[in-house]
Amino acid sequence: GENVEQHPSTLSVQEGDSAVIKCTYSDSASNYFPWYKQELGKRPQLIIDIRSNVGEKKDQRIAVTLNKTAKHFSLHITETQPEDSAVYFCAANQAGTALIFGKGTTLSVSS
Amino acid sequence: EPEVTQTPSHQVTQMGQEVILRCVPISNHLYFYWYRQILGQKVEFLVSFYNNEISEKSEIFDDQFSVERPDGSNFTLKIRSTKLEDSAMYFCASSDPAGKNIQYFGAGTRLSVL
Repeated sequence: GENVEQHPSTLSVQEGDSAVIKCTYSDSASNYFPWYKQELGKRPQLIIDIRSNVGEKKDQRIAVTLNKTAKHFSLHITETQPEDSAVYFCAANQAGTALIFGKGTTLSVSS
Repeated sequence: EPEVTQTPSHQVTQMGQEVILRCVPISNHLYFYWYRQILGQKVEFLVSFYNNEISEKSEIFDDQFSVERPDGSNFTLKIRSTKLEDSAMYFCASSDPAGKNIQYFGAGTRLSVL
């Protein structure tokens, strides 16, 4: 089955800096890679996703890149703000199947 | 914007008791999921449900667990005899049939087994 590894487990940056979180996956059949943001005590919220037919996707300050050959994908947050502080989870799956999550990255943005 | 709704938000139960967690998926969605998250850990898949049957389940989803879609709107997770280690946040999710594969999560039910 699918296995998703996520690094780093914690990340501290200064406001305005960039943050990068990396994930690798094991199942070459996976074709969908979402990123979820989870604030304390809240539900995971989808912030961006990428499908295997695309190498990069950007939405304002957030971007995701995918390298299918190496089976890794990354989340990039530019110009970080204190409200970006949360736990970020990457995940992978095929359509209609279980999302397999990474262990999460706790991002702390200090002002 | 449509949302997945879950009730109750917090359930406290005694070890050995049965609990039923309820979810109302987004109305036009056809895939339904249960996940759990033990405090401070990652989200773990339990079970998926499509076309009135289980389509996939993890090793966590043993004989103590069952799911049901009793009517056209509700999707339930039953834990027959709760254990202390069942204490976690349980999230329901649903996704649409149009191939977009986006899973929308409910706000969760915090289950505390005493």
